[in-house]
Amino acid sequence: EIVLTQSPGTLSLSPGERATLSCRASQSVTSNYLAWYQQKPGQAPRLLIYGASSRATGIPDRFSGSGSGTDFTLTISRLEPEDFAVYHCQQYGSSPSLTFGGGTKVEIK
Amino acid sequence: QLQLQESGPGLVKPSETLSLICTVSGGSISSSGFYWGWIRQPPGKGLEWIGSISYTGDSRYNPSLKSRVTISVDTSKKQFSLKLNSVTAADTAVYYCARTIGMATVRNWGQGILVTVSS
Repeated sequence: EIVLTQSPGTLSLSPGERATLSCRASQSVTSNYLAWYQQKPGQAPRLLIYGASSRATGIPDRFSGSGSGTDFTLTISRLEPEDFAVYHCQQYGSSPSLTFGGGTKVEIK
Repeated sequence: QLQLQESGPGLVKPSETLSLICTVSGGSISSSGFYWGWIRQPPGKGLEWIGSISYTGDSRYNPSLKSRVTISVDTSKKQFSLKLNSVTAADTAVYYCARTIGMATVRNWGQGILVTVSS
């Protein structure tokens, strides 16, 4: 089973700053089948990125994903107030399982 | 627009069976290419996939929970269900029902239901 480790656990930044979130897999993720979700308090997660770098429908272009193999990154180019939330990575290349990372909280500094 | 709604008891006693139902509206549960599943999130923690099922009944489970989990689908009622037996306090979580494209990304989520395991 692939284990996903997200870092840092918490990222304290100001609006307008750049956020860089990491997701590291314990083994190579097949075909870069890696997704990112955003979750706000009391809400279900929302898909941001799939296939490591493709934005889901309606996601602003300040969100970008990159990486391959075992190392993946979610970048938010300029933080807007609504971007402060928890971000989860998920791999879907290792059937039959879907696995999630532990999450990174982006908080207002 | 597709909507998913979880229902079931919010409190379950230790050693008993947790049972939840997800009702699908605004779309078909019988579309090919989709899986219907359950994901949980303990308070303050990350997400854990429990398992998924297609409308034809092809089911997949998280190996760590497989011995305790059954997921079934009732296309006539546009519902799918989760049964988790022999629960402990560690099973306390918000349980989400969800739709994935194949066994891949989660495109639709229910609002979630908090289930507490306590005597």
